Amino acid sequence: AQSVTQPDIHITVSEGASLELRCNYSYGATPYLFWYVQSPGQGLQLLLKYFSGDTLVQGIKGFEAEFKRSQSSFNLRKPSVHWSDAAEYFCAVGGTLFGNEKLTFGTGTRLTIIP
Amino acid sequence: DAGVTQSPTHLIKTRGQHVTLRCSPISGHKSVSWYQQVLGQGPQFIFQYYEKEERGRGNFPDRFSARQFPNYSSELNVNALLLGDSALYLCASSRQGWGADTQYFGPGTRLTVL
Repeated sequence: AQSVTQPDIHITVSEGASLELRCNYSYGATPYLFWYVQSPGQGLQLLLKYFSGDTLVQGIKGFEAEFKRSQSSFNLRKPSVHWSDAAEYFCAVGGTLFGNEKLTFGTGTRLTIIP
Repeated sequence: DAGVTQSPTHLIKTRGQHVTLRCSPISGHKSVSWYQQVLGQGPQFIFQYYEKEERGRGNFPDRFSARQFPNYSSELNVNALLLGDSALYLCASSRQGWGADTQYFGPGTRLTVL
């Protein structure tokens, strides 16, 4: 089975401070890992993805994530957050294990930015 | 290019009714997947269709069905609606429908069952 755990339900960060959102996954083969962001009432926007190669992945809006196979983690980071980063963030895992493109999502982390 | 589009935006139904949700993928994308997102949770995989064939099915009852048309658009049908079917239904499209492909999500259809 595949699963994703996002241990932080809600995080509050001051504008300009650094951010790290945690994600742990379980997958029976080489995983493909994704971070998506969702604003209230909206669909999901892809921030970044990891398939293979360099374990540090750069994404849009200044986000990056690091894949650590030994820890089964794919944490999302940003050096300096902006008020517009307030949203729900979802980590997801997929791959070729089941012959389809099913993504398994975590329960999400809600990010609040304070001035 | 237009992104993934879904219709309707919002829908209110009563228990026992039937509903059809529609999705148009990004031009050139041949795969469509459906996800259900209950309030406060992450999206749950319902179906994937590629070239009109079902490629994957999540853990949902037979009341849920889908199909894909020759133009790659898709419909999700839900029969005998229950209160627990109230959710945001998301459609995603990708070029070839394999794990390495990026899925692009539409804005969703908000279904409320009374």
